Amino acid sequence: DIQMTQSPSSLSASIGDRVTVTCRASQSIGSYLNWFQQNPGEAPKLLIYATSILQSGVPSRFSGSGSGTDFTLTISSLQPEDFATYFCQQSYSIPPTFGPGTKVDIK
Amino acid sequence: QVQLVQSGTEVKKPGSSVKVSCKTSGGSFSTYTFSWVRQAPGQGLEWMGRIIPILGVTNYAQRFHHRVTITADKSTFTAYLELSSLRSEDTAVYYCARDHGGQVPTSIGWFDPWGQGTLVTVSS
Repeated sequence: DIQMTQSPSSLSASIGDRVTVTCRASQSIGSYLNWFQQNPGEAPKLLIYATSILQSGVPSRFSGSGSGTDFTLTISSLQPEDFATYFCQQSYSIPPTFGPGTKVDIK
Repeated sequence: QVQLVQSGTEVKKPGSSVKVSCKTSGGSFSTYTFSWVRQAPGQGLEWMGRIIPILGVTNYAQRFHHRVTITADKSTFTAYLELSSLRSEDTAVYYCARDHGGQVPTSIGWFDPWGQGTLVTVSS
């Protein structure tokens, strides 16, 4: 199975900050990388698929980049509704695997 | 736009089985693929398996292979997850999600939308 890691595991930031979350795969996964946002008590929500394609309805302050083994989720200007946990997921091979998550909270 | 609505909270005894349903509305069930993902309390996301209803094909995560069965009823637009030989470590929220990997048995995709989740508690 492909192992996914994320860094940092948590971060504290202020409204308006630029935030970057990193995801790394244990082997090359091309561009088969997706990002989800999860609020407490809710189901995950798809933000970005295929590394950089923004899901319909997701604000443009979210962006994704990378290829191979290293990927990044960027929030250009953090908003109050962005305080949540973010997961990456590889869809290169079965079984799909998720990163352990990055919790973004208020500084 | 497709919506996924799951069955309600379950409390089960160790050794028993649970069956969770995921009913779709607003889309074309026969063209979809469905995955099941679980999340233990305070933990991350773990893929359990998926079904391609139109092909009747399933894939399972190796660690659940002998305990999990995923089925689909095309007449009621509902997918099911059954997990047997339950133990306390199976206490989790179970989610269904539409899998955008297409109807290719060797392909997996991103997950959207997700059902609201079903809490399964295993306790004696």
